[in-house]
Amino acid sequence: GAGVSQSPSNKVTEKGKDVELRCDPISGHTALYWYRQRLGQGLEFLIYFQGNSAPDKSGLPSDRFSAERTGESVSTLTIQRTQQEDSAVYLCASSLSRDNEKLFFGSGTQLSVL
Amino acid sequence: GNSVTQMEGPVTLSEEAFLTINCTYTATGYPSLFWYVQYPGEGLQLLLKATKADDKGSNKGFEATYRKETTSFHLEKGSVQVSDSAVYFCALSDGMNYGGSQGNLIFGKGTKLSVKP
Repeated sequence: GAGVSQSPSNKVTEKGKDVELRCDPISGHTALYWYRQRLGQGLEFLIYFQGNSAPDKSGLPSDRFSAERTGESVSTLTIQRTQQEDSAVYLCASSLSRDNEKLFFGSGTQLSVL
Repeated sequence: GNSVTQMEGPVTLSEEAFLTINCTYTATGYPSLFWYVQYPGEGLQLLLKATKADDKGSNKGFEATYRKETTSFHLEKGSVQVSDSAVYFCALSDGMNYGGSQGNLIFGKGTKLSVKP
């Protein structure tokens, strides 16, 4: 597709379960970002991938959170042993390169942990 | 650390009213400043940007001027339309920082705008 695609759009899970969120960036975009948006809050940076460089994981809130990206394609964000405070919209964005500050966002995954 | 503060919403206006959404920032170095917009049911998209002091970003009738002396980047539009109803996010990127968080945009909390016909 032409835009950033995220799946699922909605995910309801029970506390303690693991979840996996997927992001398909725009083809050719080397930079990929994950953000989290809790209700009534701003976007919170989680992790950033740039090509084959080591990812910037400085925003991951705990070791329950991890993300992978193979080359310049799909990325998955995994949350292990989910907690209620993990409930949020998880947004993925991509850009042409790390020096290109124009981000293209997906519609996000609404995660609800019961 | 770097941060962005924008006015809390929601903001409700009548069509053709004047819009101002305030945004102030705290940053080291020389940040670039952005406004992103999220229309209902869509992903965030870049509305406008300014990369240095006194620059004015503009798009779709919206304008924002990079004011270094007041560390502000307020969004304005002279006459809003119903189609402008959306959530607006102010953001900054520290253009001097290419280590660690290179490419990381720091966002405000967002301001929801509702325009009534």
